[in-house]
Amino acid sequence: GQNIDQPTEMTATEGAIVQINCTYQTSGFNGLFWYQQHAGEAPTFLSYNVLDGLEEKGRFSSFLSRSKGYSYLLLKELQMKDSASYLCAVRDRRTGANNLFFGTGTRLTVIP
Amino acid sequence: ETGVTQTPRHLVMGMTNKKSLKCEQHLGHNAMYWYKQSAKKPLELMFVYNFKEQTENNSVPSRFSPECPNSSHLFLHLHTLQPEDSALYLCASSQTGGVSSYGYTFGSGTRLTVV
Repeated sequence: GQNIDQPTEMTATEGAIVQINCTYQTSGFNGLFWYQQHAGEAPTFLSYNVLDGLEEKGRFSSFLSRSKGYSYLLLKELQMKDSASYLCAVRDRRTGANNLFFGTGTRLTVIP
Repeated sequence: ETGVTQTPRHLVMGMTNKKSLKCEQHLGHNAMYWYKQSAKKPLELMFVYNFKEQTENNSVPSRFSPECPNSSHLFLHLHTLQPEDSALYLCASSQTGGVSSYGYTFGSGTRLTVV
């Protein structure tokens, strides 16, 4: 099966930078996604990595190393509205064309 | 509004009740999914439908019964549930048949409480 690990909780200060790590184990790796989920709301797409390297999108960046089974989500210039859960998900080609498997999510709290 | 609508948003039901959750998408996607989200656990994939056909059932108890009448609608019929089934049930949709860089579009979920 898929083994996807990420920290359960993190706290960071408004204006700072925070890095949320995710490690995974799968032999059919076919892409890694990060989603943001505010309490009581739908998870929303943040980023996608399928090749090694960094993808930057405004204040958010995501990095992937396939050889290490490792990704991180980097959030810069933190704002209070960034308080949410961040879900790491891996697509596994062995289980179907587009099935995603998720970690437990990291609940980020941004404090003033 | 995310393009995937789930109703109801909240549901409280007794263990002997029968109820249904509804999911609707207007994105032209051809795959739909049910996930269960419990506190401190990963999202659990329950069912997958591609072009209205069920392609995956991840050992889900028979008290959960999915139905997909067309590519835009997905139901989850519930009967004789247990308190441990209380969770957030998320519906998602996606395109299949190629590599999508957007993954899924999720609905806001139905918060289910079994009493």
